[in-house]
Amino acid sequence: GENVEQHPSTLSVQEGDSAVIKCTYSDSASNYFPWYKQELGKGPQLIIDIRSNVGEKKDQRIAVTLNKTAKHFSLHITETQPEDSAVYFCAARISISSGSARQLTFGSGTQLTVLP
Amino acid sequence: DTEVTQTPKHLVMGMTNKKSLKCEQHMGHRAMYWYKQKAKKPPELMFVYSYEKLSINESVPSRFSPECPNSSLLNLHLHALQPEDSALYLCASSRAGQGKGNEQYFGPGTRLTVT
Repeated sequence: GENVEQHPSTLSVQEGDSAVIKCTYSDSASNYFPWYKQELGKGPQLIIDIRSNVGEKKDQRIAVTLNKTAKHFSLHITETQPEDSAVYFCAARISISSGSARQLTFGSGTQLTVLP
Repeated sequence: DTEVTQTPKHLVMGMTNKKSLKCEQHMGHRAMYWYKQKAKKPPELMFVYSYEKLSINESVPSRFSPECPNSSLLNLHLHALQPEDSALYLCASSRAGQGKGNEQYFGPGTRLTVT
């Protein structure tokens, strides 16, 4: 089955700096890669996703890049703010040819702390 | 609107109790999910319903019993739980099938404590 590795497990940055979180996946059939942000006491919130036919996607201060050859995707947050502090999870999903979506495989999570 | 609601927010139950967790969405999604999440870990899939039928059971103990009464509601019935079942229980929903538009959205979770 799919295996997703996520690094680093913890990341501290100064407010205004950039943060990068990296994930690698094992199954080349994976074609959908969402990122979730989970604040303390809340459920995961989908913040951005990318599909395998795209190399990069941006939404304001957040961007995701995908390298299918290396089976690697990354989350980039620019101009970080204290409210960006949370746990971030990457995930990967395979969609099989029968039309049924397979389920998400999550990375282990990154605790991001933005220091004021 | 991408809202999934869950009740209750917190639940404390004894090992002999029977309780239920509830989840609701009004996005027209036909796939609904139950996840269990332990502290500092990613969500762990328990059950998937697709078009109100159970399609995936990830070898979950029978003390957890899911139910999907209609396309908007998902329940998780709990009976004879163990202290190690204490966790955050998350509900999620998505469109069924593959392709664009089947992003998965999570609810806020129910924090369950088994005493």
